[in-house]
Amino acid sequence: RKEVEQDPGPFNVPEGATVAFNCTYSNSASQSFFWYRQDCRKEPKLLMSVYSSGNEDGRFTAQLNRASQYISLLIRDSKLSDSATYLCVVSVNYGGATNKLIFGTGTLLAVQP
Amino acid sequence: DAMVIQNPRYQVTQFGKPVTLSCSQTLNHNVMYWYQQKSSQAPKLLFHYYDKDFNNEADTPDNFQSRRPNTSFCFLDIRSPGLGDAAMYLCATSTRTGSSYNEQFFGPGTRLTVL
Repeated sequence: RKEVEQDPGPFNVPEGATVAFNCTYSNSASQSFFWYRQDCRKEPKLLMSVYSSGNEDGRFTAQLNRASQYISLLIRDSKLSDSATYLCVVSVNYGGATNKLIFGTGTLLAVQP
Repeated sequence: DAMVIQNPRYQVTQFGKPVTLSCSQTLNHNVMYWYQQKSSQAPKLLFHYYDKDFNNEADTPDNFQSRRPNTSFCFLDIRSPGLGDAAMYLCATSTRTGSSYNEQFFGPGTRLTVL
């Protein structure tokens, strides 16, 4: 089982739609959670961190459920410019001073005009 | 602007010919990472430096080496590139707070082609 699992998509949605991505992680010792965005042939860029209380940034809302080891990202009022791959990223402590990021394979979003 | 810079952006090499990829940062972050990303796959961590401490991932082939001569620069050396090493190589930086590695900032990547 992969440490971080995402539905690869693609999610094809019309402009203005609301779309939700889900992500599950297997390591209960995971400490920090992020959503990154990656455009085609570009580097990943941090979209937002994910907190237990949930957090919102404009049209984007992230939720974390530690009990279910589940993370979500909700995008409201989708724009063409939201088309990208969304990577779910989990920070895991493997003991001692080692703490590293584990990336999901990403969910591809295509917003249609 | 503070940033992570990678050179070159595109690198073509021949099978078995050593190649070095370069990363520099103006963020003054104490952690630097090298990732390999193949098409439609997640970035795969090869190794990272916390200051001068080198941390190799267990499944990183010996063919991949790294150097960090100072805080700002980090190099990825591929000693004998094979066709399977063709990929995007991403450099990233972060700070570290206690035992936690904070959000990572990525460079634009170097796309390596092996002929």
